Amino acid sequence: EVQLVQSGAEVKKPGESLKISCKGSGYSFNNYWIGWVRQMPGKGLEWMGVIYPSDSDTRYSPSFQGQVTISADKSISTAYLQWSSLRASDTAMYYCARLEQWLAKWGQGTLVTVSS
Amino acid sequence: DIVMTQSPDSLAVSLGERATINCKSSQSVLHSSNNKNYLAWYQQKPGQPPKLLIYWASIRESGVPDRFSGSGSGTDFTLTITSLQTEDVAVYYCQQYYTTHLITFGQGTRLEIK
Repeated sequence: EVQLVQSGAEVKKPGESLKISCKGSGYSFNNYWIGWVRQMPGKGLEWMGVIYPSDSDTRYSPSFQGQVTISADKSISTAYLQWSSLRASDTAMYYCARLEQWLAKWGQGTLVTVSS
Repeated sequence: DIVMTQSPDSLAVSLGERATINCKSSQSVLHSSNNKNYLAWYQQKPGQPPKLLIYWASIRESGVPDRFSGSGSGTDFTLTITSLQTEDVAVYYCQQYYTTHLITFGQGTRLEIK
């Protein structure tokens, strides 16, 4: 069974750094792009960017370029989304999903709360 | 970016009736190389990740009930739910994947029971 399992909820202060993860199983992790989607409280879905774990080719949505870093460790079938300095506006649910042009498989989501 | 605009933002439909959600793209998502529309539909229930319903504008994902159907081409698309059930209460999103790694979603349509 294809699964994407994300790391648990985080509560952080503004200015802190954070790295959340998404571990794939049940398929060849290296051979599918993994994307990240933001959903702010009560709002819609926003595409952040995508990575190809085999060679770490990464593409960012212009809205998120420079704001986050997407990476992957193919040896442990895990993709990451990280921030160097969080803001209150980063408070949101973050989903990873396997990109097959459409997004058929999703992680359960990681809730990030940034508050002083 | 290709902008996806859904209508309406919300709608209420009686149980057993038909629900229709529209999605319009700012440019065509019909690819001339294969004559396919690069358009998908998702359902999101509270506290859950989105679930893929439809891809290639009209192909139902495995396990999706046949009361869900997608239609349209070019820039105008429709998701239709015939005979609405209580479990269909959710927010529905369209998504274009014409720009391969820069996909975009519609703003969502909230579907409720009247």
